[in-house]
Amino acid sequence: DAGITQSPRHKVTETGTPVTLRCHQTENHRYMYWYRQDPGHGLRLIHYSYGVKDTDKGEVSDGYSVSRSKTEDFLLTLESATSSQTSVYFCAIRNGTGGYGYTFGSGTRLTVV
Amino acid sequence: QQQVKQSPQSLIVQKGGISIINCAYENTAFDYFPWYQQFPGKGPALLIAIRPDVSEKKEGRFTISFNKSAKQFSLHIMDSQPGDSATYFCAASKKGGGNKLTFGTGTQLKVEL
Repeated sequence: DAGITQSPRHKVTETGTPVTLRCHQTENHRYMYWYRQDPGHGLRLIHYSYGVKDTDKGEVSDGYSVSRSKTEDFLLTLESATSSQTSVYFCAIRNGTGGYGYTFGSGTRLTVV
Repeated sequence: QQQVKQSPQSLIVQKGGISIINCAYENTAFDYFPWYQQFPGKGPALLIAIRPDVSEKKEGRFTISFNKSAKQFSLHIMDSQPGDSATYFCAASKKGGGNKLTFGTGTQLKVEL
Protein backbone atom coordinates (compact mmCIF):
# COMPACT_ATOMS: atom_id res chain seq x y z
CA ASP A 1 0.00 0.00 0.00
CA ALA A 2 1.27 3.41 -1.09
CA GLY A 3 4.94 2.36 -0.94
CA ILE A 4 5.04 0.89 2.55
CA THR A 5 5.80 -2.77 3.20
CA GLN A 6 6.17 -4.77 6.39
CA SER A 7 8.08 -7.98 6.90
CA PRO A 8 7.51 -10.65 7.88
CA ARG A 9 3.73 -10.86 7.52
CA HIS A 10 3.49 -13.65 10.07
CA LYS A 11 5.87 -14.90 12.71
CA VAL A 12 5.76 -17.37 15.55
CA THR A 13 8.52 -17.09 18.11
CA GLU A 14 9.36 -18.48 21.52
CA THR A 15 9.24 -16.59 24.79
CA GLY A 16 12.55 -14.95 25.60
CA THR A 17 13.85 -14.67 22.06
CA PRO A 18 14.58 -11.36 20.34
CA VAL A 19 12.44 -10.49 17.33
CA THR A 20 12.86 -7.74 14.75
CA LEU A 21 10.10 -6.47 12.51
CA ARG A 22 10.86 -4.36 9.48
CA CYS A 23 9.03 -1.48 7.89
CA HIS A 24 10.18 -0.18 4.52
CA GLN A 25 8.92 2.87 2.67
CA THR A 26 9.74 4.05 -0.83
CA GLU A 27 8.43 7.61 -0.56
CA ASN A 28 11.05 9.37 1.58
CA HIS A 29 8.63 10.43 4.32
CA ARG A 30 10.14 11.84 7.48
CA TYR A 31 7.69 10.46 10.05
CA MET A 32 7.23 6.74 10.68
CA TYR A 33 5.29 4.99 13.43
CA TRP A 34 4.89 1.56 15.00
CA TYR A 35 1.50 0.61 16.48
CA ARG A 36 0.16 -2.58 17.96
CA GLN A 37 -3.45 -3.63 17.57
CA ASP A 38 -5.23 -5.68 20.21
CA PRO A 39 -8.93 -6.42 20.68
CA GLY A 40 -10.53 -3.89 22.97
CA HIS A 41 -7.55 -1.55 22.80
CA GLY A 42 -7.60 -0.28 19.25
CA LEU A 43 -4.22 0.84 17.97
CA ARG A 44 -1.63 1.92 20.47
CA LEU A 45 1.58 3.73 19.62
CA ILE A 46 4.80 1.94 20.50
CA HIS A 47 7.51 4.19 19.07
CA TYR A 48 7.83 6.71 16.31
CA SER A 49 10.58 8.36 14.30
CA TYR A 50 10.89 11.89 12.98
CA GLY A 51 14.09 11.37 11.02
CA VAL A 52 17.19 9.23 10.66
CA LYS A 53 18.36 8.26 14.14
CA ASP A 54 15.59 10.40 15.68
CA THR A 55 13.07 8.34 17.60
CA ASP A 56 10.78 8.72 20.58
CA LYS A 57 8.56 6.57 22.78
CA GLY A 58 4.86 6.07 22.49
CA GLU A 59 2.38 4.96 25.14
CA VAL A 60 3.33 1.25 25.19
CA SER A 61 7.08 1.29 24.61
CA ASP A 62 8.23 -1.02 27.43
CA GLY A 63 9.96 -4.11 26.04
CA TYR A 64 10.42 -2.58 22.60
CA SER A 65 13.22 -0.70 20.90
CA VAL A 66 13.48 0.87 17.47
CA SER A 67 16.12 1.96 15.04
CA ARG A 68 16.16 4.10 11.94
CA SER A 69 19.53 4.18 10.22
CA LYS A 70 18.05 5.05 6.80
CA THR A 71 15.04 7.15 5.85
CA GLU A 72 13.34 4.20 4.23
CA ASP A 73 13.67 1.63 7.03
CA PHE A 74 12.20 1.62 10.54
CA LEU A 75 12.90 -1.47 12.62
CA LEU A 76 11.01 -2.60 15.70
CA THR A 77 12.78 -5.00 18.06
CA LEU A 78 11.25 -7.00 20.87
CA GLU A 79 14.26 -7.46 23.06
CA SER A 80 12.98 -10.58 24.83
CA ALA A 81 9.57 -11.59 23.54
CA THR A 82 6.77 -12.29 26.02
CA SER A 83 3.29 -13.72 25.49
CA SER A 84 1.81 -10.28 26.19
CA GLN A 85 3.50 -9.07 23.02
CA THR A 86 1.42 -11.42 20.88
CA SER A 87 -0.33 -8.90 18.66
CA VAL A 88 -0.70 -7.47 15.20
CA TYR A 89 1.91 -4.81 14.54
CA PHE A 90 1.36 -2.00 12.08
CA CYS A 91 3.81 0.45 10.66
CA ALA A 92 2.61 3.80 9.34
CA ILE A 93 4.02 6.77 7.49
CA ARG A 94 2.73 10.31 7.72
CA ASN A 95 2.12 11.37 4.19
CA GLY A 96 -0.20 14.20 4.01
CA THR A 97 -3.90 14.69 3.88
CA GLY A 98 -4.09 17.86 5.91
CA GLY A 99 -0.56 17.19 6.95
CA TYR A 100 -1.51 14.54 9.44
CA GLY A 101 -2.78 11.66 7.28
CA TYR A 102 -1.23 8.27 7.87
CA THR A 103 -0.82 5.37 5.49
CA PHE A 104 -0.51 2.00 7.17
CA GLY A 105 1.26 -1.13 6.09
CA SER A 106 -0.50 -4.48 5.93
CA GLY A 107 0.68 -5.55 9.36
CA THR A 108 2.73 -8.32 10.96
CA ARG A 109 0.92 -10.93 13.01
CA LEU A 110 3.27 -12.00 15.79
CA THR A 111 2.60 -14.93 18.06
CA VAL A 112 4.82 -15.54 21.09
CA VAL A 113 4.54 -19.08 22.44
CA GLN B 1 -6.26 6.90 30.41
CA GLN B 2 -8.32 6.56 27.26
CA GLN B 3 -8.05 9.92 25.54
CA VAL B 4 -10.43 8.99 22.75
CA LYS B 5 -13.50 6.96 23.71
CA GLN B 6 -15.44 5.19 20.97
CA SER B 7 -18.85 3.57 20.96
CA PRO B 8 -20.47 1.24 20.24
CA GLN B 9 -18.04 -1.65 20.20
CA SER B 10 -20.12 -3.41 17.57
CA LEU B 11 -23.01 -2.45 15.34
CA ILE B 12 -25.39 -4.31 13.06
CA VAL B 13 -27.29 -2.30 10.46
CA GLN B 14 -29.64 -3.33 7.70
CA LYS B 15 -28.69 -2.60 4.12
CA GLY B 16 -29.78 0.92 3.22
CA GLY B 17 -29.83 2.07 6.82
CA ILE B 18 -27.71 4.68 8.58
CA SER B 19 -24.70 3.60 10.63
CA ILE B 20 -23.63 5.95 13.40
CA ILE B 21 -20.41 5.65 15.40
CA ASN B 22 -19.54 8.07 18.16
CA CYS B 23 -16.30 9.30 19.69
CA ALA B 24 -15.47 11.62 22.56
CA TYR B 25 -12.13 13.16 23.35
CA GLU B 26 -10.61 14.83 26.36
CA ASN B 27 -7.62 16.79 25.13
CA THR B 28 -8.71 20.22 23.85
CA ALA B 29 -5.39 20.58 22.03
CA PHE B 30 -6.48 17.96 19.48
CA ASP B 31 -6.99 19.66 16.13
CA TYR B 32 -7.36 16.84 13.62
CA PHE B 33 -9.95 14.09 13.77
CA PRO B 34 -9.74 11.30 11.16
CA TRP B 35 -11.72 8.12 10.75
CA TYR B 36 -10.08 4.94 9.54
CA GLN B 37 -11.66 1.89 7.96
CA GLN B 38 -10.09 -1.54 8.32
CA PHE B 39 -10.95 -4.76 6.53
CA PRO B 40 -9.82 -8.14 7.89
CA GLY B 41 -6.15 -8.82 7.21
CA LYS B 42 -5.48 -5.27 6.06
CA GLY B 43 -4.09 -2.13 7.60
CA PRO B 44 -6.40 0.75 8.51
CA ALA B 45 -7.09 3.17 5.66
CA LEU B 46 -8.00 6.83 6.00
CA LEU B 47 -11.69 7.32 5.26
CA ILE B 48 -12.47 10.93 6.08
CA ALA B 49 -11.10 13.61 8.40
CA ILE B 50 -12.17 16.92 9.91
CA ARG B 51 -10.65 19.89 11.68
CA PRO B 52 -12.46 21.65 14.55
CA ASP B 53 -13.14 24.83 12.59
CA VAL B 54 -16.07 23.16 10.81
CA SER B 55 -19.05 21.28 12.24
CA GLU B 56 -19.59 18.82 9.41
CA LYS B 57 -17.75 17.27 6.51
CA LYS B 58 -19.30 15.05 3.90
CA GLU B 59 -17.64 12.78 1.36
CA GLY B 60 -20.07 10.66 -0.59
CA ARG B 61 -22.07 8.51 1.84
CA PHE B 62 -19.73 9.30 4.74
CA THR B 63 -20.23 12.32 7.01
CA ILE B 64 -18.35 13.50 10.09
CA SER B 65 -20.31 15.61 12.55
CA PHE B 66 -18.20 17.57 15.01
CA ASN B 67 -19.30 19.21 18.26
CA LYS B 68 -16.41 21.19 19.69
CA SER B 69 -18.16 22.32 22.88
CA ALA B 70 -19.14 18.75 23.75
CA LYS B 71 -15.78 17.37 22.60
CA GLN B 72 -17.54 14.78 20.50
CA PHE B 73 -17.50 13.70 16.88
CA SER B 74 -19.32 11.03 14.99
CA LEU B 75 -19.24 9.13 11.71
CA HIS B 76 -22.48 8.68 9.78
CA ILE B 77 -22.65 6.16 6.95
CA MET B 78 -25.72 6.77 4.83
CA ASP B 79 -27.33 4.03 2.73
CA SER B 80 -25.08 1.43 4.38
CA GLN B 81 -23.96 -1.41 2.13
CA PRO B 82 -22.61 -4.91 2.88
CA GLY B 83 -19.28 -3.72 1.48
CA ASP B 84 -19.11 -1.21 4.36
CA SER B 85 -18.80 -4.11 6.80
CA ALA B 86 -15.46 -3.42 8.48
CA THR B 87 -13.91 -2.10 11.66
CA TYR B 88 -13.93 1.67 12.04
CA PHE B 89 -11.55 3.66 14.21
CA CYS B 90 -11.78 7.28 15.21
CA ALA B 91 -8.59 9.08 16.06
CA ALA B 92 -7.27 12.46 17.13
CA SER B 93 -4.02 14.32 16.78
CA LYS B 94 -2.49 17.64 17.74
CA LYS B 95 0.29 19.75 16.34
CA GLY B 96 3.83 19.01 17.36
CA GLY B 97 5.21 16.10 19.34
CA GLY B 98 5.40 13.95 16.24
CA ASN B 99 1.75 14.53 15.26
CA LYS B 100 0.92 11.24 16.85
CA LEU B 101 -2.53 9.79 16.28
CA THR B 102 -4.44 8.57 19.33
CA PHE B 103 -7.02 5.97 18.36
CA GLY B 104 -10.35 4.89 19.76
CA THR B 105 -10.92 1.22 20.50
CA GLY B 106 -12.78 0.50 17.26
CA THR B 107 -16.30 -0.39 16.13
CA GLN B 108 -17.02 -3.56 14.23
CA LEU B 109 -19.78 -2.79 11.73
CA LYS B 110 -21.82 -5.47 10.00
CA VAL B 111 -24.29 -4.51 7.32
CA GLU B 112 -26.88 -7.20 6.72
CA LEU B 113 -28.89 -7.78 3.57
